[in-house]
Amino acid sequence: NAGVTQTPKFQVLKTGQSMTLQCAQDMNHNSMYWYRQDPGMGLRLIYYSASEGTTDKGEVPNGYNVSRLNKREFSLRLESAAPSQTSVYFCASSFLDSGETQYFGPGTRLLVL
Amino acid sequence: DQQVKQNSPSLSVQEGRISILNCDYTNSMFDYFLWYKKYPAEGPTFLISISSIKDKNEDGRFTVFLNKSAKHLSLHIVPSQPGDSAVYFCAASWRAGNMLTFGGGTRLMVKP
Repeated sequence: NAGVTQTPKFQVLKTGQSMTLQCAQDMNHNSMYWYRQDPGMGLRLIYYSASEGTTDKGEVPNGYNVSRLNKREFSLRLESAAPSQTSVYFCASSFLDSGETQYFGPGTRLLVL
Repeated sequence: DQQVKQNSPSLSVQEGRISILNCDYTNSMFDYFLWYKKYPAEGPTFLISISSIKDKNEDGRFTVFLNKSAKHLSLHIVPSQPGDSAVYFCAASWRAGNMLTFGGGTRLMVKP
């Protein structure tokens, strides 16, 4: 049981490049989430998917898109990366869609030059 | 405007003593509160939670206290151990919603 896995672990991009962060969970959870963590800001929700086939914006969605590919997988895409998107990105999942306990992946560290 | 605040960015305590981490919130709709622990280069892991119908929840060395009138919660770790050294995030949600709102985190250092 791997829990929540994320790829890649680390990525360097140039301004304007695009990339997709991948997330998968094997806990049969309904809901999945993408957060970014910046120093002193805690974790801020970018997008979430309450169930397969649905996605909703979180607190900081600008510059990102998401795809809930199936129940297991939830990807985050940066179409045109900006230095302000330098951050650590965490994917999480939960069984219920009521904001209860979420289980996090190990994170992707992204540097945009 | 941060709805969940952890005003102490860091805390240092001696091994064996009590660690008290504090968290304040402003949104009276929040009815469920959680604490997460995060080691470097790892994702946050769930530690303990409390519903707004309770004022205390205990799990081994960890106790969370909730003061609804003050919109304040705290995490007590007794006794503190060096392995408890990590960043602790408090988070809040309401039952009808999907989102956890996190505080900025407190770095706890437990000295041997």
